[in-house]
Amino acid sequence: DAKTTQPNSMESNEEEPVHLPCNHSTISGTDYIHWYRQLPSQGPEYVIHGLTSNVNNRMASLAIAEDRKSSTLILHRATLRDAAVYYCILVSGSARQLTFGSGTQLTVLP
Amino acid sequence: DAGITQSPRHKVTETGTPVTLRCHQTENHRYMYWYRQDPGHGLRLIHYSYGVKDTDKGEVSDGYSVSRSKTEDFLLTLESATSSQTSVYFCAINSGQGGQETQYFGPGTRLLVL
Repeated sequence: DAKTTQPNSMESNEEEPVHLPCNHSTISGTDYIHWYRQLPSQGPEYVIHGLTSNVNNRMASLAIAEDRKSSTLILHRATLRDAAVYYCILVSGSARQLTFGSGTQLTVLP
Repeated sequence: DAGITQSPRHKVTETGTPVTLRCHQTENHRYMYWYRQDPGHGLRLIHYSYGVKDTDKGEVSDGYSVSRSKTEDFLLTLESATSSQTSVYFCAINSGQGGQETQYFGPGTRLLVL
């Protein structure tokens, strides 16, 4: 499975944008880039996914590099409720399994 | 939350006893999963099911068995619990296809094996 690399932790101030990076240099052409987050004491929840083009939804935006070897999850205005572990996961077209890494622990400071 | 419930939510048991965790879904999803999560780590796949009576092993399947006799229920059994199986167990379902699958997770079961 293609792997992803994320920083262990990041900090952000409340109401400021947050850019969470993910490197996936061995990504294949059929791999989708998915992001999940896990709030304290909860199961993971889906955030966003994309293949080649940037994506937006109500929770976040996903910016994908032109060569697809990296991506960035953007939270436009962090709130205290966004404090969580964020996982960047590659999902191939034929697979129905998720492989979780260690993710990035996001701390949001008031 | 895709109608996923897990029971029990918390359990304390002793080494050597059998334990069964239940995952129930209400939306007829074909794929169901069991993960475990240990402190400071991401989730690891134990077993998954792709239909009634159709199951397969994940990354950490040793010491666990599963059964799926109905679409809505996926059971995880620890035949003889050990302290190393103390963990938080999450069930999930899969929605979508072709790389755009989205998994929805249950609230988790905290298991302590003494």
